[in-house]
Amino acid sequence: DTEVTQTPKHLVMGMTNKKSLKCEQHMGHRAMYWYKQKAKKPPELMFVYSYEKLSINESVPSRFSPECPNSSLLNLHLHALQPEDSALYLCASSPLGRNTGELFFGEGSRLTVL
Amino acid sequence: DQQVKQNSPSLSVQEGRISILNCDYTNSMFDYFLWYKKYPAEGPTFLISISSIKDKNEDGRFTVFLNKSAKHLSLHIVPSQPGDSAVYFCAASEGNNNNDMRFGAGTRLTVKP
Repeated sequence: DTEVTQTPKHLVMGMTNKKSLKCEQHMGHRAMYWYKQKAKKPPELMFVYSYEKLSINESVPSRFSPECPNSSLLNLHLHALQPEDSALYLCASSPLGRNTGELFFGEGSRLTVL
Repeated sequence: DQQVKQNSPSLSVQEGRISILNCDYTNSMFDYFLWYKKYPAEGPTFLISISSIKDKNEDGRFTVFLNKSAKHLSLHIVPSQPGDSAVYFCAASEGNNNNDMRFGAGTRLTVKP
């Protein structure tokens, strides 16, 4: 299994809603990432988990709350978002301790905040 | 501050010809470079990479060239095929550190039959 699975693929939410994006991988990767991508812009790193511990938070607003319940799952909890948070949210994973530098991405969850 | 730049948002080539996608970077500490390919409704997938100790890496129809003095890399696809039509992202990292991988904005390649 070489897939990173993200759900839902599409999400529309109001600014007062609470929702979650989910990511799952079964490749045994111990690093997992959340990226945000706006149209015609590069993917921007939000969070990195290494061995299920948050290792990097790229100054992301607290309305985004990541969670890594185990080595296969990564969640992104969303609360009180703004319309400008509408974007494609990409989850990725990679092995730790190898030198390939390659990230394995999911298909992304396209979020629209009304 | 965009440290990895892909200045051509789109490129169109004829099937069978060479596609050349370009990427520039500003951080001289980057020492590992990757190209990812993205089809619509799919996540980016790794295509090819190069370490800064090399100036060329080849994998089938895909070759990546690195010019460290110019802080420039390019991806050559030859011969181009319609199935190569996708968005190509250039990425770079320092010390093979996945935690700080920087991406370009992507170039949309269209290969016409």
